[in-house]
Order: sequence, then C-alpha cells, then structure tokens
Amino acid sequence: GAVVSQHPSWVICKSGTSVKIECRSLDFQATTMFWYRQFPKQSLMLMATSNEGSKATYEQGVEKDKFLINHASLTLSTLTVTSAHPEDSSFYICSAEWGRGIETQYFGPGTRLLVL
Amino acid sequence: DAKTTQPPSMDCAEGRAANLPCNHSTISGNEYVYWYRQIHSQGPQYIIHGLKNNETNEMASLIITEDRKSSTLILPHATLRDTAVYYCIVRVTGTASKLTFGTGTRLQVTL
Repeated sequence: GAVVSQHPSWVICKSGTSVKIECRSLDFQATTMFWYRQFPKQSLMLMATSNEGSKATYEQGVEKDKFLINHASLTLSTLTVTSAHPEDSSFYICSAEWGRGIETQYFGPGTRLLVL
Repeated sequence: DAKTTQPPSMDCAEGRAANLPCNHSTISGNEYVYWYRQIHSQGPQYIIHGLKNNETNEMASLIITEDRKSSTLILPHATLRDTAVYYCIVRVTGTASKLTFGTGTRLQVTL
C-alpha cells in the first residue's frame, strides 16, 4: 500500500521549454502532496505543498510563476517547470500524505530533469 | 520543527545489526520521530516512526530514549541493499506537516 508514482522518470529538454511532471498516488487518495528538489550531493529541499482543489503553498525563495503546481484530483498533482533553464536541472521528487490520525509522507521515485 | 543531529557516515558488516543514532534534544511533546532512507538516485523510502514508545516493523526497530532527546534506528541484519542515506526527522502531527531533511547518515554495508 501507499504507492506513489511519477512520470516521466527522466526528461531532457532544451532551454526555454516547459516540462510537466506528474505525481500520482496509486492506491490511496491524497489531499496533500509535496514537491521537493534535490541537487547533486545535497539533501531534499521542499519546494511547495500542494492541496487538492486549492492553490499551492510555496516555500520561501521558490518562484510560483516558474514552478506551476496543479492538484486537480485526490490522486494527481502536477509540477510544470516553465521556461526551463540549465540551472533548473535537478532531481524532482513528490510525496503524498496518507494515514489515519498520524499522516505519513510516501515518496515517488523521482524525476531527473536535464535542461540543455 | 526540532532539528536533528546524525553522524555523517557509518559502516556496517553485512549480516550484523546497524545501529543509527539521532539526537533531537529540542523535540517538542507533539513531535514524532520519523526515519526515511534514500538509496542512490531514488526517492526516499519511509521506514518507521514513533512518539515515545519503541516501535518495530518488518524493516527496522526504533528505540526512543525516555526523555525523547535521542533515538536509534536498528536494522537487525544489514544487507548490501541497505546501503543508503538514512534521515532522522522530527515532525509535528497533523495534515500537511512538513518534513525537513537534514544531511542524514550515509550507511555503507560491506561484505
């Protein structure tokens, strides 16, 4: 139980293009999902908290107009990196919250983005 | 959320128990201790969590001191597949509560 998937697992794109990453909770419904970013040899950094049916909450320093988050259903959240640049190259990981009483975050396998 | 301190790295022989310590001396009464691990190039994997009692599941055991200022994750019989970065995180209960990842402990299991 509590399986989270991401698609695609990796993507290469040209500078200036937009990339959409999907995060799905496969066997549970998630009111809240989270998006993280991880640069090489660094730890995970929370980018934003995504709530179904409402606007995402972004962490300080994360540009909401560049990283568009949509959480239109209880099993799907999407992250769109708009006008991607080489510095956006990173490992993007989502998590979905599940549990009764004590919510636990379960993570997807991650999406590796390379912007050329 | 309370901050945690972990050793940067540890080694463990395959088949032996791996004991990973975590210090969380500023933990609050409503904060749980969570453990995750991240195998190279994968998303973090949930291992176990606890409040004040010791916990055990099919993956590991979590021992929390009586004053809750520290805890130890125990992998009873480490295998090469347990080589990963292990994160100890304290987190308040409730929906949409954030996880703040530190630098973790890099566990290397060797033959």
